Amino acid sequence: DIQMTQSPSSLSASVGDRATLTCRASQNIDTFLNWYQHKPGESPKLLIYAASSLQSGVPSRFSGSGSGTDFTLTISSLQLEDFATYYCQESYSDSWTFGQGTKVEIK
Amino acid sequence: DVQLLESGGGLVSPGGSLRLSCAASGFDFSYYGMAWVRQAPGKGLEWVSTITAGGDRTYYTDSVKGRFTISRDNSKSTLYLQMKSLRAEDTAVYYCAKIYRGVDSHYFDYWGQGSLATVSS
Repeated sequence: DIQMTQSPSSLSASVGDRATLTCRASQNIDTFLNWYQHKPGESPKLLIYAASSLQSGVPSRFSGSGSGTDFTLTISSLQLEDFATYYCQESYSDSWTFGQGTKVEIK
Repeated sequence: DVQLLESGGGLVSPGGSLRLSCAASGFDFSYYGMAWVRQAPGKGLEWVSTITAGGDRTYYTDSVKGRFTISRDNSKSTLYLQMKSLRAEDTAVYYCAKIYRGVDSHYFDYWGQGSLATVSS
């Protein structure tokens, strides 16, 4: 099975800061990598698919990059509504494994 | 608009059974694969099971193999998860999710609101 490892597990940042989240796959997954945002009491929301494609309706301050085993989600300027937990997920295998999540908290 | 509405959650004793349903609307259900994803209290998201559009292929995470069965009724636009031999560690909010499968990308594009299943004596 493919393992997905996210870092950091949590980060504290201020409104307006740039946030960089990373995700590493245990084997090559090409660009079959998605990012989701999840807030308590809500359903997860797709942000980025295929490593770098922005889902319709998602603000352009979100961007993704990477291929193979190493991936990055960048939030260029954090807004209040961005404080949430972010998950990467591989869709290369038949088992769509999630990373353990990165919680972005207000400093 | 796409809507996914889960139901069937509740409190069940260890070893018991529960069946979750997910009623879909706003898209042609029979064309899309579907999945269940769960989140245990204080934990992250965990993929549970996937079923293809026609229902001919199913996939499960190791911890539920032999205990959970995913199925669908395309005539009713409804997805199911039959859960048996439930354990305390199966306690979670269960989300159904619609799968988009393109040539170079596969992802969950829509999610339900979640249904809580609690396994406790």
